[in-house]
Amino acid sequence: DARVTQTPRHKVTEMGQEVTMRCQPILGHNTVFWYRQTMMQGLELLAYFRNRAPLDDSGMPKDRFSAEMPDATLATLKIQPSEPRDSAVYFCASGLVAMDRDNNQPQHFGDGTRLSIL
Amino acid sequence: SQQGEEDPQALSIQEGENATMNCSYKTSINNLQWYRQNSGRGLVHLILIRSNEREKHSGRLRVTLDTSKKSSSLLITASRAADTASYFCATAFPWGNNRLAFGKGNQVVVIP
Repeated sequence: DARVTQTPRHKVTEMGQEVTMRCQPILGHNTVFWYRQTMMQGLELLAYFRNRAPLDDSGMPKDRFSAEMPDATLATLKIQPSEPRDSAVYFCASGLVAMDRDNNQPQHFGDGTRLSIL
Repeated sequence: SQQGEEDPQALSIQEGENATMNCSYKTSINNLQWYRQNSGRGLVHLILIRSNEREKHSGRLRVTLDTSKKSSSLLITASRAADTASYFCATAFPWGNNRLAFGKGNQVVVIP
């Protein structure tokens, strides 16, 4: 079965450090989503891409977060500088949207990066 | 912004019993999806129901959608211990790009 792969699975670092999370979407998928999950806020959409172009990153704190897709097989989410409130599980998901704008498609999630900022 | 809201938040049942969860949302949708999340894992898609559908089945899962009440329900029949997980509903915006808005989730515990 094709899977979304996220690395690292766990990350513990001190506040102020740069954190980079990586995601390999399912081959052939053309949409990529970054989510953050916390007990308090649930699952929040941070950013999403279609055909590697960022469509919306309004869910991200712009001053410290950045999301990119250097190529179709890699999506990155960076936090610089990191803060304790960034501690959460970060998920990447991918999907396939046809060019006729059909959005009746499921999203496929990776197993997340559990981030702890001390 | 529209968002799924599941009810009840936590459910504990005996193996073999049925589990029912409800989800409400606020605005127009293109479809509604249910996902399962096992502890420490990512979300797994279970079933999708389009706005013009009223009921859908997949194995032991039954989903209903009432667009007039802006609500959906997920029924798991003959529950198993392996069904223990969190269940999320997610609504898809009508304007495409596959963007979803997730609810807070239901924790379901199936006791063997």
